[in-house]
Amino acid sequence: DGGITQSPKYLFRKEGQNVTLSCEQNLNHDAMYWYRQDPGQGLRLIYYSQIVNDFQKGDIAEGYSVSREKKESFPLTVTSAQKNPTAFYLCASSSQGLEKLFFGSGTQLSVL
Amino acid sequence: DAKTTQPTSMDCAEGRAANLPCNHSTISGNEYVYWYRQIHSQGPQYIIHGLKNNETNEMASLIITEDRKSSTLILPHATLRDTAVYYCIVRVANSGYALNFGKGTSLLVTP
Repeated sequence: DGGITQSPKYLFRKEGQNVTLSCEQNLNHDAMYWYRQDPGQGLRLIYYSQIVNDFQKGDIAEGYSVSREKKESFPLTVTSAQKNPTAFYLCASSSQGLEKLFFGSGTQLSVL
Repeated sequence: DAKTTQPTSMDCAEGRAANLPCNHSTISGNEYVYWYRQIHSQGPQYIIHGLKNNETNEMASLIITEDRKSSTLILPHATLRDTAVYYCIVRVANSGYALNFGKGTSLLVTP
């Protein structure tokens, strides 16, 4: 089945540690996105990528990094510089130029 | 993007129509209205979008006023599984930028 897969579903980070969230899609979509959601809040854009080897910062990129080496994959690294990383992280993809996004099931990141 | 205004929360009885309003009074002529919903602890799901004509699909209907300053998402026969947060987003198509999701409307469908 075509879709977008995020892993792991739950992730715990220790103080000072970098962690990487995985996002893979087999929809042949050009564009991929990372959003962060805090309890009771809407989604805030972290990074997005319209094409392989290119990405742009969103509204809250500080403390995060991404790569887009393959069309299918858009991993997000939460670095130790992100002081408040506890949140629900959502990855999405879409065909180039279209606003119909397909979302993964999310990763809940918590700090130990 | 044009700013949208939605009620924070709404209730609807199961089996009745749920009408979710969205105000977008500053919408420009080439901006579309998109609706998504997010069931608790899941990723948002695309529902429908439109420019100026009313649209219907298997999930919902979208009614856009003639002046395009507001719209209503209609779930014709709400079920308990329609309990979710509904997001109304206005965006130029093919803009090259990501969608901005606000806080949306929390819809509670009751038995």
